[in-house]
Amino acid sequence: QVQLVESGGGVVQPGGSLRLSCAASGFTFSSYAMHWVRQAPGKGLEWVAFIRYDGNNKYYADSVKGRFTVSRDNSKNTLYLQMQSLRAEDTAAYVCVKGLGADRDPFYYSYYMDVWGTGTTVTVS
Amino acid sequence: QSALTQPASVSGSPGQSITVSCTGTNGDIGGYNYVSWYQHHPGRAPKLMIYGVSDRPSGVSDRFSGSKSGNTASLTISGLQAEDEADYYCGSFTAYSTNYVFGTGTKVTVL
Repeated sequence: QVQLVESGGGVVQPGGSLRLSCAASGFTFSSYAMHWVRQAPGKGLEWVAFIRYDGNNKYYADSVKGRFTVSRDNSKNTLYLQMQSLRAEDTAAYVCVKGLGADRDPFYYSYYMDVWGTGTTVTVS
Repeated sequence: QSALTQPASVSGSPGQSITVSCTGTNGDIGGYNYVSWYQHHPGRAPKLMIYGVSDRPSGVSDRFSGSKSGNTASLTISGLQAEDEADYYCGSFTAYSTNYVFGTGTKVTVL
């Protein structure tokens, strides 16, 4: 079945770096856009980043722009989030999410999130 | 860009209908029909309930419906059931550089 499994979370000091990974299975990873979404303790969902199916378009939330980098390796079915200059407010569960539409669908279908991972926790302290 | 605005909480009795609103701007909800809604039970993965303002993915109950008027999108749950108690988030594509934004979230309580 379709599955997304994140890893790489942990405790890091302010100003530090961390790289999250998301292993995808059960679907043709290279055909789908992916997102990173986070949820801080007791807070709502916050969209973090988007990457197109081929990696050619990337977008970021203002809160992480210039500090986080999203990438993907379609040969390894893996999504990444490189996080630098981490701040206390980056503390959250980070979840990778699959876009609904495939590469042949209208672009806006990539912005409907149909499969969510279980998340990996990042604590900046 | 700021999050889309949702009421913090909405409640209703079993069998009733409730509506959750989601207010944005001309640059997101008002400018595009790319609104989606997510149901989130704490401890579980969020679930896509509505996309494209009013379309339901396969397997989602027809008790859930979506609409939009101007800069405000709405999710209506009819025939409210205990299992509907959860947090609900709207989301929208946006013309701003960030490209996407979620709503602030609404806790739906079944009385």
